[in-house]
Amino acid sequence: DGGITQSPKYLFRKEGQNVTLSCEQNLNHDAMYWYRQDPGQGLRLIYYSQIVNDFQKGDIAEGYSVSREKKESFPLTVTSAQKNPTAFYLCASSIGNVRQTNYGYTFGSGTRLTVV
Amino acid sequence: QKEVEQNSGPLSVPEGAIASLNCTYSDRGSQSFFWYRQYSGKSPELIMFIYSNGDKEDGRFTAQLNKASQYVSLLIRDSQPSDSATYLCAVRGYGGSQGNLIFGKGTKLSVKP
Repeated sequence: DGGITQSPKYLFRKEGQNVTLSCEQNLNHDAMYWYRQDPGQGLRLIYYSQIVNDFQKGDIAEGYSVSREKKESFPLTVTSAQKNPTAFYLCASSIGNVRQTNYGYTFGSGTRLTVV
Repeated sequence: QKEVEQNSGPLSVPEGAIASLNCTYSDRGSQSFFWYRQYSGKSPELIMFIYSNGDKEDGRFTAQLNKASQYVSLLIRDSQPSDSATYLCAVRGYGGSQGNLIFGKGTKLSVKP
């Protein structure tokens, strides 16, 4: 089955530690996105990538980093510079912005990150 | 700054009633419009999209779009307790970063048995 997989489902981070969230898709989608969702809040865009080896900052990129070495994979690293990382992180993919605007995003099941 | 506005709710309706969820957007160049359902603790799930003015029906769901008023709505007929969730409105522009979806903060719907 085609889909988008995030791992782990739950992640605990110690103060000062970097952690990496995995996102893999087998939908052959060009575009991939990372969002952060805080309780009772909407989705805030962290980073996005429209093509391999290229990515752009979203609205809240500070304290985060990404890579897009393969079409299928778009890992997110939460660095120690992110002072309030506890949140629900969602990865999404889409066919591609420039080709077809009638396609929405497909979301992964999310990773819940907690600072301990 | 492109914005998508939704009433945060909660919107409470009795079982069997029609639930009406509304969304307004600021960018007149927006091309397509999406409704996502998000259950508590879960990821958003696409339930409807619309890109032409008028109504689009899919089962118990009807999306309505009025580009002149920059308004999109979702009607849920014969509401069920299983429809209780947060509904996110998303709007898409055209090309490049403008093609990114802009999400509203969502409306929480509660369907009472």
